[in-house]
Amino acid sequence: EVQLVESGGTLVQPGGSLRLSCETSGFTFSDNWMHWVRQGPERGLVWVSRINSVGSVSTYADSVRGRFTNSRDNAKKTLYLQMNSLTVEDTAVYYCARGAGYHLSNWGQGTLVTVSS
Amino acid sequence: QSVLTQPPSVSGAPGQRVSISCTGSSSNIGAGYDVHWYLQLPGTVPRLLIFANTNRSSGVPDRFSGSKSGTSGSLAISGLQAEDEADYYCQSYDYSLSGYVFGTGTKVTVL
Repeated sequence: EVQLVESGGTLVQPGGSLRLSCETSGFTFSDNWMHWVRQGPERGLVWVSRINSVGSVSTYADSVRGRFTNSRDNAKKTLYLQMNSLTVEDTAVYYCARGAGYHLSNWGQGTLVTVSS
Repeated sequence: QSVLTQPPSVSGAPGQRVSISCTGSSSNIGAGYDVHWYLQLPGTVPRLLIFANTNRSSGVPDRFSGSKSGTSGSLAISGLQAEDEADYYCQSYDYSLSGYVFGTGTKVTVL
């Protein structure tokens, strides 16, 4: 069974930093691009970023580029998202998702990031 | 912020057929990129429903069907059931943004 389990979400002050993790199992992690998607209070889904299977290429949404950084540890089957210079607009549930072609085949349960003073 | 436009809501009686549109542009759906659909039941995680325009994900009943034409995609639900009440999102790739894009989301209500 494919499983993705996010962690690291918490309350953080504006301007702060946070690192999210996504531990995976049930598939060959090193074969897949991996993504982050967030869902804020307005409830819509927003794609955040992706990283290729070996961790050498990442792309980001305009809203997070330069502040967020992807990384992955294929030996640990774990994906990371380093988030810096956080603003209240970054408040959301963050999902990691497994890439398959140009869609997202499996999603984690999400971790809540709240940016507030 | 969303590049793909969906109707905010659609509704239908049990057994009826409803359709959800997903309108993009020449830099995403119109450029040939596929349309994918996700279902989010209340209080749950999004899950893949339809991929590559017409392909149902594992376990998805054939009441759900997808299509694509020009700069738009469409999801149809036939034989509407109470359990179909959920939010539905389309998704594609946009080459001008070099990233994935989601639709605005549609809430389906079963009357």
